[in-house]
Amino acid sequence: AQSVTQLGSHVSVSEGALVLLRCNYSSSVPPYLFWYVQYPNQGLQLLLKYTSAATLVKGINGFEAEFKKSETSFHLTKPSAHMSDAAEYFCAVSDRGFGNEKLTFGTGTRLTIIP
Amino acid sequence: EAGVAQSPRYKIIEKRQSVAFWCNPISGHATLYWYQQILGQGPKLLIQFQNNGVVDDSQLPKDRFSAERLKGVDSTLKIQPAKLEDSAVYLCASSMDRGGNEQFFGPGTRLTVL
Repeated sequence: AQSVTQLGSHVSVSEGALVLLRCNYSSSVPPYLFWYVQYPNQGLQLLLKYTSAATLVKGINGFEAEFKKSETSFHLTKPSAHMSDAAEYFCAVSDRGFGNEKLTFGTGTRLTIIP
Repeated sequence: EAGVAQSPRYKIIEKRQSVAFWCNPISGHATLYWYQQILGQGPKLLIQFQNNGVVDDSQLPKDRFSAERLKGVDSTLKIQPAKLEDSAVYLCASSMDRGGNEQFFGPGTRLTVL
């Protein structure tokens, strides 16, 4: 069964500092990997996705993530945090192809930005 | 382009009562998903429709939860009777096609069972 583990349920960074949110996956087949963001009282919005093209994926709002097969990781980074980045972030995995688009989500990481 | 619509946004009921949620996906999206998000957890898939057929309902508690997607467009999710542990946000999402395409999420319905 596929799964993702997000290390750190809460992360705090200062405004302008590097943001690093960790995600490790477990999948028996090459996966699709996703990062979603959820602002208070809103649905989830896709930040970026890995679907086997370039291993470094660039997303919206200056975020990027790197797929590392050897480490089974897909960590999310942003060079300089902004106050508007405060939200909950979810890593998700789905099996590649064969019509299985079921997303399995991690437990989420709440990002707080310190002024 | 209009997003995924859900109603109501909030619902408070007592245990053993019934409740229904409605979802209108993005026009033209064949696949529709219902997720349950309990506080402090990631969303969990309850049921997935392809047009009006069920693709995956393996995690749907069928003794109390039911869902339908009439004419392959709108969908309703029902809980009857509700339990305290059903308190959660119920998210609806839709996607154009199968195979790793982006899922677009609605704002969710926050259910509180007292």
